[in-house]
Amino acid sequence: GAGVSQSPRYKVAKRGQDVALRCDPISGHVSLFWYQQALGQGPEFLTYFQNEAQLDKSGLPSDRFFAERPEGSVSTLKIQRTQQEDSAVYLCASSLGRSGGYNEQFFGPGTRLTVL
Amino acid sequence: AQSVTQLDSQVPVFEEAPVELRCNYSSSVSVYLFWYVQYPNQGLQLLLKYLSGSTLVKGINGFEAEFNKSQTSFHLRKPSVHISDTAEYFCAVSDLGDYKLSFGAGTTVTVRA
Repeated sequence: GAGVSQSPRYKVAKRGQDVALRCDPISGHVSLFWYQQALGQGPEFLTYFQNEAQLDKSGLPSDRFFAERPEGSVSTLKIQRTQQEDSAVYLCASSLGRSGGYNEQFFGPGTRLTVL
Repeated sequence: AQSVTQLDSQVPVFEEAPVELRCNYSSSVSVYLFWYVQYPNQGLQLLLKYLSGSTLVKGINGFEAEFNKSQTSFHLRKPSVHISDTAEYFCAVSDLGDYKLSFGAGTTVTVRA
């Protein structure tokens, strides 16, 4: 079956532009996560959805970052007024269940954002 | 939140030689432990995980890892690597019952013929 897909795979933005990154989770997966992976670093948690509810947004670095999952499936991560420090790979993951550990997170290929 | 340290940023190794990737985490409370592999231009793929039970965990592609609670470590090993094992490997931890994964900075394994 299809895995987690993300689009676009690559995005170049001029500083100050708004961008929207899309994640299509595995069908039927309740939980959806966004992570940010800076160059040479491991992924860092941004936000977590359970169905359409955003239960944790503690990792969002600033109020320029906004995520939504209005119908409990596709999710969009929006970054307003992009800055150079926003350049990173943005990873989306989904899992079948509600809690961690026993529910494996399946990762998409990521969107590489470069802000000039 | 957990802090995860991968002690080696790059590990060159010859084909058919053994490899060990080291991972230490910060807290001694109950945790779940994971190793992920990332091939170029692909997403993270789960290699293996420790949730409970036996401290020696076997995963895909011949990898195994050992959980050591007293040393807060979860080192990954493979007795004989292949060229196709060239990739980046990430150790990750979550607190018991938590959904968030905390990742290490990664170890790049390069296998040479």
